[in-house]
Amino acid sequence: DGGITQSPKYLFRKEGQNVTLSCEQNLNHDAMYWYRQDPGQGLRLIYYSQIVNDFQKGDIAEGYSVSREKKESFPLTVTSAQKNPTAFYLCASSLQGTALFLPQHFGDGTRLSIL
Amino acid sequence: SQQGEEDPQALSIQEGENATMNCSYKTSINNLQWYRQNSGRGLVHLILIRSNEREKHSGRLRVTLDTSKKSSSLLITASRAADTASYFCATPTGRNTGFQKLVFGTGTRLLVSP
Repeated sequence: DGGITQSPKYLFRKEGQNVTLSCEQNLNHDAMYWYRQDPGQGLRLIYYSQIVNDFQKGDIAEGYSVSREKKESFPLTVTSAQKNPTAFYLCASSLQGTALFLPQHFGDGTRLSIL
Repeated sequence: SQQGEEDPQALSIQEGENATMNCSYKTSINNLQWYRQNSGRGLVHLILIRSNEREKHSGRLRVTLDTSKKSSSLLITASRAADTASYFCATPTGRNTGFQKLVFGTGTRLLVSP
């Protein structure tokens, strides 16, 4: 079955450490997204990518970095510059980023906590 | 800033009852989407309604859209315990061309008791 796989499900970060969250999709989608979800809040967009080798900052990109070297992969690195990284991180994809009426498909998330 | 705001924030009902949740948004849109999120899981797309549609059905779900009031409602009929989840509305911020970013509301937490 096609879908989006995020790993790991739980991740712990030490002070000053960079950590990378994995997101892989086999839906053949062009567009991919990273969101952050905090308790009681909606999803906030961190980064998005319309096509391979292209990505753009979202609303809360500071302290995060991404790459899009392959169509199916969009890893997110939470750097030590992100002072409040504890959150639930969701990866999503859509067939095309510019199409008006396409839904987004989500992975099951990675919960990141500080040690 | 949030584009969509859901109301109520939380809703508790018994199995078999109907659940209604509302979403208000700020700017003009070309479509509005509803998603469900089970605890600790990702979001699942439920239904998309276009700006020229007033009502749409999918199984036990009924969505309405009132563009004059910039609001939408999601009705779940004959609710089941398995409907317990958070429900989010989402609207695209792009214009009719260009990249379509979705902006999500803060969600309604629905609890359906047996």
